[in-house]
Amino acid sequence: GIQVEQSPPDLILQEGANSTLRCNFSDSVNNLQWFHQNPWGQLINLFYIPSGTKQNGRLSATTVATERYSLLYISSSQTTDSGVYFCAVGFSGGYNKLIFGAGTRLAVHP
Amino acid sequence: GAVVSQHPSRVICKSGTSVKIECRSLDFQATTMFWYRQFPKKSLMLMATSNEGSKATYEQGVEKDKFLINHASLTLSTLTVTSAHPEDSSFYICSARDSSGRLTSSSYEQYFGPGTRLTVT
Repeated sequence: GIQVEQSPPDLILQEGANSTLRCNFSDSVNNLQWFHQNPWGQLINLFYIPSGTKQNGRLSATTVATERYSLLYISSSQTTDSGVYFCAVGFSGGYNKLIFGAGTRLAVHP
Repeated sequence: GAVVSQHPSRVICKSGTSVKIECRSLDFQATTMFWYRQFPKKSLMLMATSNEGSKATYEQGVEKDKFLINHASLTLSTLTVTSAHPEDSSFYICSARDSSGRLTSSSYEQYFGPGTRLTVT
């Protein structure tokens, strides 16, 4: 089946630093979403980005579908950015299911 | 827009009893909803796809008779954990797609409920 790999698994930052999270996937996708899971477990939609580039405030994402990877950029990180970031992909023939990566656990210290 | 709710948010039950978890799409219709399970410090694992008006599709290794899914309307899916045991304790999360794509970027995009933490004693 389709494989989704995220890196790094853990990341520790000082407030104000920038970071890049990566998601590699093993097959063509028709859906790619980035989520932030907060300490209470809620998954917050960050981007729906099966291809191209999007920006939302301090966050931006780029997916290069032909090379099967996506990047999530966090600029000027804040302590509230702490949590787990998940990449999830859906693929043609997958009945719209999302396959999740293992996540990147981010801790931002003041 | 695109809000998904779950109820209850937290439940404790005794071993052998059944627990029902509700997942609702509040401002859109969802012909398809999904149920996931998450263990501590782990990723989400898809359990089943819930289809309105038809039988759910379960992932390999998920017991259909233990995890009963009913998708009776375009805004409600329920997951019933039958004869619960301590090993069923977990965080259960549902998601839904806006079938029309009217509220979201795409009809493929999924929105997630806040989750239900089940503890079986």
